[in-house]
Order: sequence, then C-alpha cells, then structure tokens
Amino acid sequence: GDSVTQMEGPVTLSEEAFLTINCTYTATGYPSLFWYVQYPGEGLQLLLKATKADDKGSNKGFEATYRKETTSFHLEKGSVQVSDSAVYFCALTHYGGSQGNLIFGKGTKLSVKP
Amino acid sequence: GAVVSQHPSRVICKSGTSVKIECRSLDFQATTMFWYRQFPKQSLMLMATSNEGSKATYEQGVEKDKFLINHASLTLSTLTVTSAHPEDSSFYICSARDTVGNTIYFGEGSWLTVV
Repeated sequence: GDSVTQMEGPVTLSEEAFLTINCTYTATGYPSLFWYVQYPGEGLQLLLKATKADDKGSNKGFEATYRKETTSFHLEKGSVQVSDSAVYFCALTHYGGSQGNLIFGKGTKLSVKP
Repeated sequence: GAVVSQHPSRVICKSGTSVKIECRSLDFQATTMFWYRQFPKQSLMLMATSNEGSKATYEQGVEKDKFLINHASLTLSTLTVTSAHPEDSSFYICSARDTVGNTIYFGEGSWLTVV
C-alpha cells in the first residue's frame, strides 16, 4: 500500500541555518503531496503542496519539489528562524488536491536555537 | 481563518469506561470530517471518514463498535471510545473539510490516556 517515509528527528539547528527534511513516498499512480506543520499546542496546518510531477510548492520561505523519478518531496528552507520550531509532516493523497484520506509520515520535530 | 476545535485536549479515563472527543468547525460547514490516530513514534493513521447525516466509513482494522463516530450536524463530529483499554491510549486528531473552499483544516488533537 501507499506509504510516506520521512527523516527521523529531532532536528536541531541554529537560527539562519539551512534546513532539509527528507521525504520519500511509495504510491501507485500520481498522488498529490503535502507538507503540514504543527506548532506547539496547535492543530496541523497545511504548509505547502504539489499536485503533479516537477511542481514546486512554496510558502513562508519553505519549498519542496515533487520529484517523480526519485519519489521524493524534500522540504527545504534557506534560513530558519526560532519561530519555525514545530513538527513537520509529509503526506500524500490520491484525491487530487482535495486532501481527503491523507497518508502521513511519522513527523519530524524541528528545534531552532537562537 | 477557519478553525477546527477539538475537545478535550487531554483526557485520562479508567479502563472499561467510555470517553467522547468532540470536533467542531467553528466558522465553516463541514460535510466531511476525518478522524486520525497517532501512536508514539508512528504515523498519523486515518481511522474513519465521517459524513454528516450518514454512517461513518471505517478504515480496515478499525473496530466500528469500539470507536463510535457521530456526525449529526454540519459543524460537529464526535468520536466515542467505548470500553477503553490502555492500548487505546493515543493521540487522536480530527480534520474537517470546508464544503465551500474544499480545504482541510485540522483540530489541535486530543491526548487520551487510559489507566
């Protein structure tokens, strides 16, 4: 069945460091891919998404490119801030961009130190 | 922005009792809500899809008689864990689809501990 694998955390970085959180997936066909973020004490929020191969999702300085050939959707940010400290989840769905029935990775906790 | 509220955020119950978790869409109507469960160091796993006015659709391996889902209105879905056991201790999180915008919003999650 479909699955999402993301790098295990926690990831600890200094402010302004470069961030990469790896995400790979196993799925039939062409799923839509998502990154969600969960800040402490809050619900999951959609960070960015890509619905077809070579699409790049971007938001708040974060980027991820849908790579069909490597079945990957790695999350990157050039310069992290303390406020980026959160848990990040990679996810996929086959339901177009409607985000129904999401399949999630285990989440990666990011801590950014001043 | 759209908000989904989940209550309670943390609950401790005794083994054998039942506990109800509420999921409310505060400023939009949601004909579809989803319930997920996350065990420590595991992925969020979809338990069931809740449709307003009809029976929930459960994922394979999820006991529908143990995890009762009611979606009686366009803004409220409830998950009741019946005859809870310690192995039901987990993080439960709901999401709701905004019918108009077709966007999913997640609640804050509920930590259930069964002792």
